[in-house]
Amino acid sequence: NAGVTQTPKFQVLKTGQSMTLQCAQDMNHEYMSWYRQDPGMGLRLIHYSVGAGITDQGEVPNGYNVSRSTTEDFPLRLLSAAPSQTSVYFCASSYSKERGYSYEQYFGPGTRLTVT
Amino acid sequence: AQSVTQLDSQVPVFEEAPVELRCNYSSSVSVYLFWYVQYPNQGLQLLLKYLSGSTLVESINGFEAEFNKSQTSFHLRKPSVHISDTAEYFCAVSPRTNAGKSTFGDGTTLTVKP
Repeated sequence: NAGVTQTPKFQVLKTGQSMTLQCAQDMNHEYMSWYRQDPGMGLRLIHYSVGAGITDQGEVPNGYNVSRSTTEDFPLRLLSAAPSQTSVYFCASSYSKERGYSYEQYFGPGTRLTVT
Repeated sequence: AQSVTQLDSQVPVFEEAPVELRCNYSSSVSVYLFWYVQYPNQGLQLLLKYLSGSTLVESINGFEAEFNKSQTSFHLRKPSVHISDTAEYFCAVSPRTNAGKSTFGDGTTLTVKP
């Protein structure tokens, strides 16, 4: 299993540009989440999904959109990039009935985004 | 609503010394408790978790954490640290009804010196 994969690993955007961060998991996990990590602030939840077709906002959702059309994929869209969105973004998945309710989160390697 | 407070942002310690990383939490619902570790330029990995049962949980590399319900704490300990334990450690809680909605502390940087 590849686990949780994220692309790209690095990205530089200009203010106002849009882009999509990709996230995929092959563990048949029901829950998927997006976090941003900023120095000294831990991880903050942006959006999460409890299954295909179901998403909800986390702590810092403004400026980001998500959708979940399949169990495997959970892309994060930046609508109009701003310097405040410079951060490291992590995707995570969890909770599989088939694998015995894995409550912990499995993280991808992260995407380092810089907005100039 | 839930929150997590890691009481030390940085913990320097000499190799083979004991260490404790402190974590307090608050929540209006029942939660599961986790410690994750992050090595430089990597994602987070699960170190250990408390779901139910014995309040003392252990990891395969010698760390342990004790859930204290009355003090709402989940401190992480290791009796003898190694250079390879140098990393950032995050305490996290998840509602028992929503494993995807974790709340993380700000992290503790553990630096093990020779």
